[in-house]
Amino acid sequence: SQTIHQWPATLVQPVGSPLSLECTVEGTSNPNLYWYRQAAGRGLQLLFYSVGIGQISSEVPQNLSASRPQDRQFILSSKKLLLSDSGFYLCAWSARSGNTIYFGEGSWLTVV
Amino acid sequence: GNSVTQMEGPVTLSEEAFLTINCTYTATGYPSLFWYVQYPGEGLQLLLKATKADDKGSNKGFEATYRKETTSFHLEKGSVQVSDSAVYFCALRDRAGTALIFGKGTTLSVSS
Repeated sequence: SQTIHQWPATLVQPVGSPLSLECTVEGTSNPNLYWYRQAAGRGLQLLFYSVGIGQISSEVPQNLSASRPQDRQFILSSKKLLLSDSGFYLCAWSARSGNTIYFGEGSWLTVV
Repeated sequence: GNSVTQMEGPVTLSEEAFLTINCTYTATGYPSLFWYVQYPGEGLQLLLKATKADDKGSNKGFEATYRKETTSFHLEKGSVQVSDSAVYFCALRDRAGTALIFGKGTTLSVSS
């Protein structure tokens, strides 16, 4: 069966520091991959999605970036965090032709 | 563009009460519709889905029917439990390979 894991689960970072959140999917090939953010009191915002290695689409311009160095690995990064980057970050995947998206456990980021 | 509108929360119910969370959508074509649930501190779990008009998704006593004529996908449960306390998200996806579009979420609190 397919599984998705992301880490770290919790992160407290100072303003201006870098960020790296990692996500991997097991048990499938060629998945579509997504990063969402859930800020306090707000809904879910799509940040990036990827349909293949090196193919990244950005939905919201910001100081975050994403990379897909391997088929089942998706990384969310920032060179310098802002206070407004605090939130709950969710990685997700779907099969290339499937209509259901499955989410990871989430990563809590607090920028102080 | 596509969008999802959910009823504002929080919804507060006593155990064994009937639950309805309203969800309406705007989309071109024939999207797939989903309900996700987020328990405190966790990621999103798929609760149920429907892929075409008049389909009924069901899981764990929850049901929702895809109503194209009213562009709705209301979530219902006949008898809620304390363990159902969570945030519920309605979402649509207009075709495979695209990202989910979420409503803002409805917080459900069930007391014994």
